[in-house]
Amino acid sequence: EDQVTQSPEALRLQEGESSSLNCSYTVSGLRGLFWYRQDPGKGPEFLFTLYSAGEEKEKERLKATLTKKESFLHITAPKPEDSATYLCAVHPKGRNQFYFGTGTSLTVIP
Amino acid sequence: IAGITQAPTSQILAAGRRMTLRCTQDMRHNAMYWYRQDLGLGLRLIHYSNTAGTTGKGEVPDGYSVSRANTDDFPLTLASAVPSQTSVYFCASSDSGRDTQYFGPGTRLTVL
Repeated sequence: EDQVTQSPEALRLQEGESSSLNCSYTVSGLRGLFWYRQDPGKGPEFLFTLYSAGEEKEKERLKATLTKKESFLHITAPKPEDSATYLCAVHPKGRNQFYFGTGTSLTVIP
Repeated sequence: IAGITQAPTSQILAAGRRMTLRCTQDMRHNAMYWYRQDLGLGLRLIHYSNTAGTTGKGEVPDGYSVSRANTDDFPLTLASAVPSQTSVYFCASSDSGRDTQYFGPGTRLTVL
């Protein structure tokens, strides 16, 4: 069964304190893995797409990496404006849908 | 500004009433999707459309219907709303050959 698990559910960091969010997945074949950011009351905002193990993508303070069983979203020296819920989704091969995790709620304290 | 618009922003609805949530995109994407987001359950796919004139069922289609008469619009209809359909509904779209889905701002629906 296709499944996505994100951890931790919630994370509080001091400004400048780097950390990582985890997305573990189980799919029969991976077409793509996606990271989104969601602010309260808003729709998910696309961050990254990863297609194969070993791939990495970076954007400002965020870096996403992918292995055969999990993805990490590394946040380097976070700022309060990085506070949001981060969602991970997988697109299995041969399927017409994404499967989303329940997200990690990140709070960065000044 | 290119993107996805949804209407209404929020709605309170009596159980048993019919409701249509509207979604319009101006990116000329072929594929469109409807999700619901519930606390602790994440985003779940209701229905999708790979191209105008075709639709398919997602993970939680019961009680919902969709149509895709043209590329830009993808309305979601609740024929007879029930309290368990209280949720936040998101419309999304993606371009053929590219997987990335782009989301609208959402509709918050409360069924009493």
